[in-house]
Amino acid sequence: KAGVTQTPRYLIKTRGQQVTLSCSPISGHRSVSWYQQTPGQGLQFLFEYFSETQRNKGNFPGRFSGRQFSNSRSEMNVSTLELGDSALYLCASSFSGSYNEQFFGPGTRLTVL
Amino acid sequence: AQSVTQLDSQVPVFEEAPVELRCNYSSSVSVYLFWYVQYPNQGLQLLLKYLSGSTLVKGINGFEAEFNKSQTSFHLRKPSVHISDTAEYFCAVSDLGGGNKLTFGTGTQLKVEL
Repeated sequence: KAGVTQTPRYLIKTRGQQVTLSCSPISGHRSVSWYQQTPGQGLQFLFEYFSETQRNKGNFPGRFSGRQFSNSRSEMNVSTLELGDSALYLCASSFSGSYNEQFFGPGTRLTVL
Repeated sequence: AQSVTQLDSQVPVFEEAPVELRCNYSSSVSVYLFWYVQYPNQGLQLLLKYLSGSTLVKGINGFEAEFNKSQTSFHLRKPSVHISDTAEYFCAVSDLGGGNKLTFGTGTQLKVEL
């Protein structure tokens, strides 16, 4: 069974640009969550999508958005990039509820110059 | 609101010695508890989880953790570590029935030395 895949693995952007990251969950998983990992703030929850609907949302500004498609693949978008958006963005998938194990992808390393 | 505290940012230990990584949590509702491991340049891997039942939970790679409700703790232990256990370890909690929002601690870097 293939794991969670994230593309691209590395990305370099400049301030003010926007970026789209992609996550393909494990087959059969309907929940996709996104996390931001930085040395200063650690791992922070961005949002979760379940069956194409946002089910949970973290405390991030509206520049961070996401969506989920009917095949459960998810994208997250960051508009008007800031230097502080440089981070490892992790995607995790699971079947449904919080008791299910979340499987994490390898992440997308975003650098904002 | 929930929070997770991992008091030790770094734990050095010699190979074959026992280790305990500490985790305390705060929550106004019942939670599920997890320990994840992250190797360099990789995502997170689940070591073990506590949902209900026995307070002693066994996970992969010889790790175990004990849930203590009165002390709101979920410490991770391994009786004998190996060099390959060098990694960062994260404790996390999530609400019961509240979807998949995980609140993580700041992580503990375990460094196993010869």
